[in-house]
Amino acid sequence: SAVISQKPSRDICQRGTSLTIQCQVDSQVTMMFWYRQQPGQSLTLIATANQGSEATYESGFVIDKFPISRPNLTFSTLTVSNMSPEDSSIYLCSVEEQTNTGELFFGEGSRLTVL
Amino acid sequence: AQSVTQPDIHITVSEGASLELRCNYSYGATPYLFWYVQSPGQGLQLLLKYFSGDTLVQGIKGFEAEFKRSQSSFNLRKPSVHWSDAAEYFCAVGDHFNKFYFGSGTKLNVKP
Repeated sequence: SAVISQKPSRDICQRGTSLTIQCQVDSQVTMMFWYRQQPGQSLTLIATANQGSEATYESGFVIDKFPISRPNLTFSTLTVSNMSPEDSSIYLCSVEEQTNTGELFFGEGSRLTVL
Repeated sequence: AQSVTQPDIHITVSEGASLELRCNYSYGATPYLFWYVQSPGQGLQLLLKYFSGDTLVQGIKGFEAEFKRSQSSFNLRKPSVHWSDAAEYFCAVGDHFNKFYFGSGTKLNVKP
């Protein structure tokens, strides 16, 4: 199974700043996903990141707020821009190791607190 | 639109007792169904999944789930709960385009 490392694991940020979260996978994967898990809530898909193309964003999420990079098949970044306290959340990177198996592997998440 | 409902936010059971966590979904076609577990401070781990075939699926850690099309349900069960099962459990629906929709989760507390 894929092993996913996320950095940072947690951070406290000031309002108006931006933070980039890194996701490293120990194997090459086609599809990577970024989820948000707000306090006490479930996971919400932010975007799907495929190597070599622009990320596909879900309704309610825009590239200016959550720019994503996917430079190769093992790495992706998510930036949370111009943060506000409403962005305080856990951000999770996940991958589908084998296409269409339906099994997602998740990183441990990045817990952001915005003051 | 796809949606997943987990009606129980918190459940407490005694160690050794049986467990059933409820999940209902809304999806226009035959869905892919999943149960994930999230232990404190950790990422999500897949417990089991249903794609097709036998509607009773077995997973890791002694869990099983049954797909009931008529009820749009995919409830998770375990005959005897262990203290280490205390965690949050998420039901999810996958569409046929690699998108997954998660329920709001059920937090399981296990009493000694």
